[in-house]
Amino acid sequence: DADVTQTPRNRITKTGKRIMLECSQTKGHDRMYWYRQDPGLGLRLIYYSFDVKDINKGEISDGYSVSRQAQAKFSLSLESAIPNQTALYFCATSERGQGRETQYFGPGTRLLVL
Amino acid sequence: GQQVMQIPQYQHVQEGEDFTTYCNSSTTLSNIQWYKQRPGGHPVFLIQLVKSGEVKKQKRLTFQFGEAKKNSSLHITATQTTDVGTYFCAGWTDSWGKLQFGAGTQVVVTP
Repeated sequence: DADVTQTPRNRITKTGKRIMLECSQTKGHDRMYWYRQDPGLGLRLIYYSFDVKDINKGEISDGYSVSRQAQAKFSLSLESAIPNQTALYFCATSERGQGRETQYFGPGTRLLVL
Repeated sequence: GQQVMQIPQYQHVQEGEDFTTYCNSSTTLSNIQWYKQRPGGHPVFLIQLVKSGEVKKQKRLTFQFGEAKKNSSLHITATQTTDVGTYFCAGWTDSWGKLQFGAGTQVVVTP
């Protein structure tokens, strides 16, 4: 869905570096999510935000932080990158709802930490 | 740990064959969603099931929600090469407060 964009699409960094992954959406959705995907482990939730003033930890938030700069923007930071953070990262959005809302995913950022 | 379990993790299918992938939860779900991720792509929503015993079809894909609302299945008839990808189920219940994804079933189709 072109309505959800992620930058960069690919990134190579070194251990110990701080990096930021950015997500923007034009869908007008309140809710935004960051997932990481590893082979065999599916999609694991890192952080999520139900509106601009709401930030929540997911199941694997250690080593990550987020910023919800506006309704349309949600950034994920790796404070000090380590090799086991090498993964495919997805941003997703959804409308506000009672659990039946569909999630719309961005194209993903492939991160390699050396 | 994973609150929504999917089996099998990997499915190798000959073109034209049928197969089924399963999704299970120990918790009663309010609803379940299915997503498909093509190789090199991102997950895309396929369908949502809400009612106990609900069955929905999309062409050759049949989705079912169990009577107890703790399991779901996706059955693909006459598999085609376009069915290649990873299929994720994702369940919701109020106690979780967010969608929980399974680990996915990776489907490989050989001609």
